[in-house]
Amino acid sequence: DIQMTQSPSSLSASVGDRVTITCRASQGISNYLAWYQQKPGKPPKFLIYAASTLQAGVPSRFSGSGSGTDFTFTISSLQPEDVATYYCQKYNSAPLTFGQGTKVEIK
Amino acid sequence: EVQLVESGGGLVKPGGSLRLSCAASGFTFRSHRMNWVRQAPGKGLEWVSSISSSSDYKDYADSVKGRFTISRDNAENSLYLEMNTLRVEDTAVYYCAREGAWYCSSTSCYFDFWGQGTLVTVSS
Repeated sequence: DIQMTQSPSSLSASVGDRVTITCRASQGISNYLAWYQQKPGKPPKFLIYAASTLQAGVPSRFSGSGSGTDFTFTISSLQPEDVATYYCQKYNSAPLTFGQGTKVEIK
Repeated sequence: EVQLVESGGGLVKPGGSLRLSCAASGFTFRSHRMNWVRQAPGKGLEWVSSISSSSDYKDYADSVKGRFTISRDNAENSLYLEMNTLRVEDTAVYYCAREGAWYCSSTSCYFDFWGQGTLVTVSS
């Protein structure tokens, strides 16, 4: 099975900082990659599909890139409401594995 | 408005069984693949199972294969997860999730809507 490895597992940044999370697949998955945001006690919220396409209504400070095995998720200017855990997920085929998550906090 | 409402969670002893349900509304249920995803306390997301729109294809995580069964009733707009031989490590919030319809692979898609989840606790 293809493994999804996210890094870092957590980060702390200041409001307005640029934040980058990486997600690596153990084998190529084309661009069948999604990103989700989860706040404590809430279900995940869908943000990005096809590695770089923003879901409607998602703020433009969020972006994604990559293809094959290496992917990046970026928050261009961190806001207090962005405090959450972010997950990548492969959806080329089952198992639809998630990365282990990246917890983003405000410094 | 798309809504997914899970029910059926609760406390069960190891070796016991439980059936989860997910009531869907606000979209054409029969047109979408559906999934169950779980999250153990303080842990990350774990995909559990998928079912195609017409129930032709079902997939399971290795951790639940042979113990859990996914099903759906398109006439009732409902998704189910039958869980047998439950283990302590199955303790988690179980989410129902709808697969999207744009830029999907030939077999799978991202999860564009999620329910609020139902808690399953397996403990003696």
